[in-house]
Amino acid sequence: GAVVSQHPSRVICKSGTSVKIECRSLDFQATTMFWYRQFPKQSLMLMATSNEGSKATYEQGVEKDKFLINHASLTLSTLTVTSAHPEDSSFYICSARGASGGRLPDTQYFGPGTRLTVL
Amino acid sequence: DQQVKQNSPSLSVQEGRISILNCDYTNSMFDYFLWYKKYPAEGPTFLISISSIKDKNEDGRFTVFLNKSAKHLSLHIVPSQPGDSAVYFCAASAARYGTASKLTFGTGTRLQVTL
Repeated sequence: GAVVSQHPSRVICKSGTSVKIECRSLDFQATTMFWYRQFPKQSLMLMATSNEGSKATYEQGVEKDKFLINHASLTLSTLTVTSAHPEDSSFYICSARGASGGRLPDTQYFGPGTRLTVL
Repeated sequence: DQQVKQNSPSLSVQEGRISILNCDYTNSMFDYFLWYKKYPAEGPTFLISISSIKDKNEDGRFTVFLNKSAKHLSLHIVPSQPGDSAVYFCAASAARYGTASKLTFGTGTRLQVTL
């Protein structure tokens, strides 16, 4: 199956600093990447949809100036949490969707996630 | 507004028996459904999907059933194995309407397969 990597897997930072998380599709070109966050014992909540070469589309309630997304190539998207605060502590997961060429929707393949802890 | 619901937060099944995980949805625009398996501190792993043009899709030990009139789908795992113990998420999308495969996830069901 398709492989998606995320880096780092775990990060601890001080309040007020910025943290960058990378998401890479390793064996396919991802026309669209998605960023989710998950709080303990809750579902995955979509934060934004990222298309290569264009601005990300943010879900309602997600601050685009706080969560900066860049999708510079077909294999890399980055999420930068700016001026992080303790309430931003969460599990961030990316997914990538390739182009199958078929008539059915393309499946999303998820990265392993990044645990962010803001002190 | 939870458009995809998994009403059972947990399920315990004996090894070798059938596991049935249920999912209900409310948005009639959803036309593509997926099941993902997730271990703690890892990203979800795709298991199986089904389009609304079908009512059943089978892949090895995993079968997904879709009842469009009831807006209900289920995942059957048979026989269940201890390695199946994980959280299972149901997800849905309205791809036909051009929403770029944006997935809406359920809240998950924790499956425990006991020896």
